[in-house]
Amino acid sequence: SFVLTQPPSVSVAPGETARITCGGNNIGSKKVHWYQQRPGQAPLLVIYFDFDRPSEIPERFSGSNSGNTATLTISRVEAGDEADYYCQVWDFNSDHWLFGGGTKLTVL
Amino acid sequence: EVQLVESGGGLVKPGGSLRLSCAASALTLSNAWMNWVRQTPGKGLEWVGRIKSKSDGGTTQHAAPVKGRFSISRDDSKDVVFLQMNSLKTEDTAVYYCTTSLNGDPAYYYYGMHVWGQGTTVIVSS
Repeated sequence: SFVLTQPPSVSVAPGETARITCGGNNIGSKKVHWYQQRPGQAPLLVIYFDFDRPSEIPERFSGSNSGNTATLTISRVEAGDEADYYCQVWDFNSDHWLFGGGTKLTVL
Repeated sequence: EVQLVESGGGLVKPGGSLRLSCAASALTLSNAWMNWVRQTPGKGLEWVGRIKSKSDGGTTQHAAPVKGRFSISRDDSKDVVFLQMNSLKTEDTAVYYCTTSLNGDPAYYYYGMHVWGQGTTVIVSS
């Protein structure tokens, strides 16, 4: 079955740019969604369909998807961005949703 | 604002059963395709399954680890979606979330899970 691979952790200083990757075989042919989960909270959709943002999500959050890697980019990182981030795709063959293992973003 | 509220979690012994419920405010669940997603302690998210609206066939899909043990259903007269969990195992211990698409509109089902409940905790332990 399709597997999504994320780095366990990413660290970045405030004001810098964080890039969180999500790898999968030809993931560029699928639509990728990204979720932010702060401690003790439910996940929050921050990017859908590779690069679209829900209206309440800051423009600092952006996404891209090509080849075997999708990327969530957070510009001008703030302390409040510290959270776990998960990528997700819908697998057409199985009609199942799949999540990546998650990446913990640490703001130094 | 659309909100989902899960209930029914608790402590259950291995082999036991539990039924979780998901209700909504500012949303008519009967039109929505609903998912259940779980998160085991200290670990990531795992999709459990989905039920379509009755008007779209009401069919269900369940992830492999729960297939044959868990069952998703809906009671549109009460505007509630259920997750019936049987033959529970210790590895089913998790926070269980119900989720749906933007405004519960099935046309947005594949656009990601825009709406999440706060989750309900299930602990399977002897």
